[in-house]
Amino acid sequence: GENVEQHPSTLSVQEGDSAVIKCTYSDSASNYFPWYKQELGKRPQLIIDIRSNVGEKKDQRIAVTLNKTAKHFSLHITETQPEDSAVYFCAASVPNSGYALNFGKGTSLLVTP
Amino acid sequence: NAGVTQTPKFRVLKTGQSMTLLCAQDMNHEYMYWYRQDPGMGLRLIHYSVGEGTTAKGEVPDGYNVSRLKKQNFLLGLESAAPSQTSVYFCASSFYREPLSGANVLTFGAGSRLTVL
Repeated sequence: GENVEQHPSTLSVQEGDSAVIKCTYSDSASNYFPWYKQELGKRPQLIIDIRSNVGEKKDQRIAVTLNKTAKHFSLHITETQPEDSAVYFCAASVPNSGYALNFGKGTSLLVTP
Repeated sequence: NAGVTQTPKFRVLKTGQSMTLLCAQDMNHEYMYWYRQDPGMGLRLIHYSVGEGTTAKGEVPDGYNVSRLKKQNFLLGLESAAPSQTSVYFCASSFYREPLSGANVLTFGAGSRLTVL
């Protein structure tokens, strides 16, 4: 959605390197920020999320950081593997739309061996 | 427990034809959503429902109608299909939102690919 901007649109890294995807949002009332991974031809799958009362969250090789003041949040993938190749979407909750999610336009991540 | 099921998975329509996409969930979820996904555009919200008998417009509702007569089903209708509605349609559902954080974990269906000629 137009309220969530995501960069970069494409990202190519070598196996073992780190990947960082950044998002900004405009609605200050948003307070839930999930990240979804979508493999080719598949449905989006939640990989990690962060609530507004938390600044950072980590799950093995994946971490997300949130700066509510600046309205920025980022996804960090360390020690990337070829199976991390996919499209990643950030999203922000929309309180006045049934708490639907506004999605960024996605980042196509390619991890080369 | 099938989760979120969408039918049909694929459909080709001619301009002006009508059709209905069905989304069914067996998780007793209150909230249901229809998104469309186009290359380079991410997922955009078409309509949503916060409970049986309720519907509301999302970001891109024009040309679509929805109904939620039963809690488990959310139907998306195209009355007169246009080539601009060629897309992959995803249905999603969620159980609740955490009151303090607003967290709303969506479970997606497998998608329905619609082509309008």
